[in-house]
Amino acid sequence: NAGVTQTPKFRILKIGQSMTLQCAQDMNHNYMYWYRQDPGMGLKLIYYSVGAGITDKGEVPNGYNVSRSTTEDFPLRLELAAPSQTSVYFCASSSGTTLYEQYFGPGTRLTVT
Amino acid sequence: GENVEQHPSTLSVQEGDSAVIKCTYSDSASNYFPWYKQELGKRPQLIIDIRSNVGEKKDQRIAVTLNKTAKHFSLHITETQPEDSAVYFCAASIYPGYALNFGKGTSLLVTP
Repeated sequence: NAGVTQTPKFRILKIGQSMTLQCAQDMNHNYMYWYRQDPGMGLKLIYYSVGAGITDKGEVPNGYNVSRSTTEDFPLRLELAAPSQTSVYFCASSSGTTLYEQYFGPGTRLTVT
Repeated sequence: GENVEQHPSTLSVQEGDSAVIKCTYSDSASNYFPWYKQELGKRPQLIIDIRSNVGEKKDQRIAVTLNKTAKHFSLHITETQPEDSAVYFCAASIYPGYALNFGKGTSLLVTP
């Protein structure tokens, strides 16, 4: 199993541009999450999904959108990028039932200039 | 919403000593408390977790204790080794598999 994969690994955006961060998992997990990690600030939840077709906002959803059309994929869309969105983005997944661990992807380092 | 406080923010110990990291949480409904280790430039990885119906859990050199009444939980690492150097995050959620609320992390340095 590849686990949780994310693309791209690095990206530089100009202010006002848009992009989609891709996330996929091959563990048949129902639960998927997007976190952002700013230096010295831990991880903050942006959006999460408990299954295909179901998404909900986390702590810091402004400026982002998500969709969950399949169990495997959970893309994060940034519209009108701003410098405040410079961060490392982690996608994670969990079975949400008998096994509780959240498995994280390798992360995407995004810089908005 | 849930607020997780973590202390200290940095911790330096000599190899072989013990290290303790403490966290408090605000939501009494939280009942799942994992600890993640993150090495520089890598993804967070679960090292141990505990549910609210258990007061203590051990896995070799790592242990976690939970005091639900006081709403705090701690990570204990014994016989520390240089490879234990990393950032450690505590987290809390109201249900295993549910979204996690993370502390700000503790940067642990183990010097030979």
